[in-house]
Amino acid sequence: GQQLNQSPQSMFIQEGEDVSMNCTSSSIFNTWLWYKQDPGEGPVLLIALYKAGELTSNGRLTAQFGITRKDSFLNISASIPSDVGIYFCAGPHGSSNTGKLIFGQGTTLQVKP
Amino acid sequence: SAVISQKPSRDICQRGTSLTIQCQVDSQVTMMFWYRQQPGQSLTLIATANQGSEATYESGFVIDKFPISRPNLTFSTLTVSNMSPEDSSIYLCSVDRGDYEQYFGPGTRLTVT
Repeated sequence: GQQLNQSPQSMFIQEGEDVSMNCTSSSIFNTWLWYKQDPGEGPVLLIALYKAGELTSNGRLTAQFGITRKDSFLNISASIPSDVGIYFCAGPHGSSNTGKLIFGQGTTLQVKP
Repeated sequence: SAVISQKPSRDICQRGTSLTIQCQVDSQVTMMFWYRQQPGQSLTLIATANQGSEATYESGFVIDKFPISRPNLTFSTLTVSNMSPEDSSIYLCSVDRGDYEQYFGPGTRLTVT
C-alpha cells in the first residue's frame, strides 16, 4: 500500500540554524502538504503544493514539490524556539478524488535556545 | 481555513465504557474526517463522514467500534465503544476545504484505564 517516509525522524538543532527535512512516497502524488503539530494541539497546515517543481514559501518556511512527484522537501531558515514541534508531510490517499490524506511518520524538531 | 472545536478536550475513561466525541465547524463543509493518533505516532484515518450518507471506514476500523454520526454540514460525532487501554489515543476531526487541504480540530485526548 501507499507509504510516506519522512527523514530525519528527529532533529535537535541550535537556534538560528537552518533545517531541512524530506518526505518520499512509494507512488506519484499530485499534491503535497506540510503540517506542524505543536504539543497538545491538532496539526496546522503550513504549505500546500500542487505542481511538480513548485517552490512555495510561508515566512521562514519553504517547501518544494519534487520533480519526480515522489518526494517533497521542507526547509526552515533561521530557526527559533517556537519552531519546536512535529512536522508531517501528507498526500492524497488512494487513487480516486476522495479528499482523504495519508501522513508521514513525522519529523520531531527540537530547538536549543 | 475553518474554526473547528472538539468536545471533550480530554477524558479518562474506564475500560468497557463508551465515549462520544463531538466536532463542530464554524461553516458548512461537505467532507469531514476522523483520525486516531496513538502516543508518539502519526495520524491514521478512521473514517470519512459525509452528510447524508453512511460513514466510510478505513481498513482496520469498523462501525460497531467507532460509530459516527453526521446530522448536518457543521457537526459530527465519533463514539469509541467498549473501550480498552489500546484505545488510549488522540482523536482528531478535520474538514476538507478543497484541493486536499484539511484543517484539524484541537483533538480529544483519551486515556482508558
